[in-house]
Amino acid sequence: ETGVTQTPRHLVMGMTNKKSLKCEQHLGHNAMYWYKQSAKKPLELMFVYNFKEQTENNSVPSRFSPECPNSSHLFLHLHTLQPEDSALYLCASSQPPSPPGELFFGEGSRLTVL
Amino acid sequence: DQQVKQNSPSLSVQEGRISILNCDYTNSMFDYFLWYKKYPAEGPTFLISISSIKDKNEDGRFTVFLNKSAKHLSLHIVPSQPGDSAVYFCAAFSPPSGNTPLVFGKGTRLSVIA
Repeated sequence: ETGVTQTPRHLVMGMTNKKSLKCEQHLGHNAMYWYKQSAKKPLELMFVYNFKEQTENNSVPSRFSPECPNSSHLFLHLHTLQPEDSALYLCASSQPPSPPGELFFGEGSRLTVL
Repeated sequence: DQQVKQNSPSLSVQEGRISILNCDYTNSMFDYFLWYKKYPAEGPTFLISISSIKDKNEDGRFTVFLNKSAKHLSLHIVPSQPGDSAVYFCAAFSPPSGNTPLVFGKGTRLSVIA
């Protein structure tokens, strides 16, 4: 296993379901991120974890709940989502401070909310 | 308000010619800029970066130019190859330190025609 791995790659869920997205990084990085990519929008940062501590919550609705049990694993728990939450959810990791800002992304989890 | 703007959603270029992707930014505190490349069904991958102390950085067929006074950067690919067809994201980073997240543009879809 190398890089950043996300599962599942595709997820379809109803608005009343509870599901989780999983991310695992094998790069020994200390920081992990969740980004959301919607059609025709920039990549939107959702959460940042440094050394397992959440350092940023970018005004994300509470129906998205992150969890970082250790520096290699990151989860995004989903409940009572809305159809507009359908998007590609990307996990990334980095090892600050050099080079600044360089992120290593997973392949993404394509979420469809019915 | 978008801090990083990629005003061209798509670009088509003939194989062997030069591809020029443009990016504008509004935040004068940005001091490090990155380009990411994304193929369908894959996460973005880091391509090339430039620090604000430079005005040019070259890596093989890829060159990034930075014009700080105009708050503009561009990515040049020459010669363009069909395998370069992808979505290119411009991203920017500002100090002071730590995992200040990247700010992304919406992306430009490059199609290189054989």
